[in-house]
Amino acid sequence: EAQLLESGGGLVQPGRSLRLSCEASGFKFEDYAMHWVRQAPGKGLEWVASISWKSGSIGYGDSVKDRFTISRNNAENSLSLEMNSLKVDDTALYYCVKDTSIRGFINAFDMWGQGTVVTVSA
Amino acid sequence: DVQMTQSPSTLSASVGDRVTITCRASQSVYSFLAWYQQKPGKAPKLLIYKVSNLENGVPSRFSGSGYGTEFTLTISSLQPDDYATYYCQQYNSRTSFGQGTKLEIK
Repeated sequence: EAQLLESGGGLVQPGRSLRLSCEASGFKFEDYAMHWVRQAPGKGLEWVASISWKSGSIGYGDSVKDRFTISRNNAENSLSLEMNSLKVDDTALYYCVKDTSIRGFINAFDMWGQGTVVTVSA
Repeated sequence: DVQMTQSPSTLSASVGDRVTITCRASQSVYSFLAWYQQKPGKAPKLLIYKVSNLENGVPSRFSGSGYGTEFTLTISSLQPDDYATYYCQQYNSRTSFGQGTKLEIK
């Protein structure tokens, strides 16, 4: 069964850093773009970052650009999100998400992990 | 950036009702539009991609239409399992989501 398993969330002070990880299984990870989407408590979905299958294309949402870095390791079927200079507004459930399209970049998102919670608070 | 606006934000409907949710884009996204369903405490689930294509396993009572800047998600006969929050997503220019439409029991 295909699945995505996030880890690395937790409580962190403003200005500090945190690294999220996502372990993929059950599908050919190296063929698909991957994404991070977050959801603040009681709020809607917000796109955070995307990376293409071979890391040739990368994109970030405006609110995280220059602070977050997405990366992937196809040999280990893993996706990461390095989050620096964290702000209170970054508090959210972070989802690891698989793209629908083989060897594309950003399309519809057909598989979501259960998410990992990041809380930024003093 | 492309802004996506859904209406209504909240919708009250009864089992068996025909329900329509609208999503408007601030600029044309052509046919690069998807719909998701999210239930409380759960991850979103892809329902429809490229305006009108049903994801595998999605009941045929769900349908989508539109082009350019205006899109609709229709549930032909509302079922108890359909009470959830629905989001549209454009993926023509990077990507962005609508603010969500909460479908409540009337």
